[in-house]
Amino acid sequence: QVQLQESGPGLVRPSETLSLSCTVSGGSVNSGTYYWSWIRKAPGKGLEWIGSIFTGGRTNYNPSLQSRVTISIDTSKNHFSLRLISVTAADTALFFCVRDSGGINVRFRARFDSWGPGTLVTVSS
Amino acid sequence: QSVLTQSPSASATPGQRVTISCSGGRSNIGSNTVNWYQQLPQTAPHLLIYGNNQRPSGVPDRFSGSKSGTSASLAISGLQSEDEAEYYCAAWDDSLNGVVFGGGTKLTVL
Repeated sequence: QVQLQESGPGLVRPSETLSLSCTVSGGSVNSGTYYWSWIRKAPGKGLEWIGSIFTGGRTNYNPSLQSRVTISIDTSKNHFSLRLISVTAADTALFFCVRDSGGINVRFRARFDSWGPGTLVTVSS
Repeated sequence: QSVLTQSPSASATPGQRVTISCSGGRSNIGSNTVNWYQQLPQTAPHLLIYGNNQRPSGVPDRFSGSKSGTSASLAISGLQSEDEAEYYCAAWDDSLNGVVFGGGTKLTVL
């Protein structure tokens, strides 16, 4: 059974860059079947999809974050990463790395069947 | 303001049936499948329903999903106290070229 685990700093200064990594075990990020995704939940708010990456580097990003976000994948380390630049307090959230098993056809996407436990990132000086 | 619209809250007593709705548009629910998530307090969300009405293994058949046009619903029958959680719908949006979530419905079991 695949397991995902987020890692990265819990505190980021305003205007700096948030960097998180997700290590995948029990499965391969190079499987060619799944999209690997980041989702966040800010305090008092709902779930927000940040973006996804497919093997080979194909990405989709939330239009509201697209100018600030980069998701990359490292098949040699079996992990994928999130980079969010120019953060503000509004980026404070619980960040989850997630597997989307909906496949290549977008009709079936958003089928997030495996989640990491989440990591809290606070943006504060 | 979420692209998919859910009522912020719902409540029912143990044993009752409750329905949570999710309203969208042609570019999301109208064109693509709907998935539902349950988030218990202090835990990561987990997949409850996928492909409009399919249950992953391990999800009790008390949970069911349906879709009609640009709306979808999650029904929970035989409500139990452990069903008290936040519920989210999600789908792909062709116009935004990305995943959209509902704002979430907090279910209280009275």
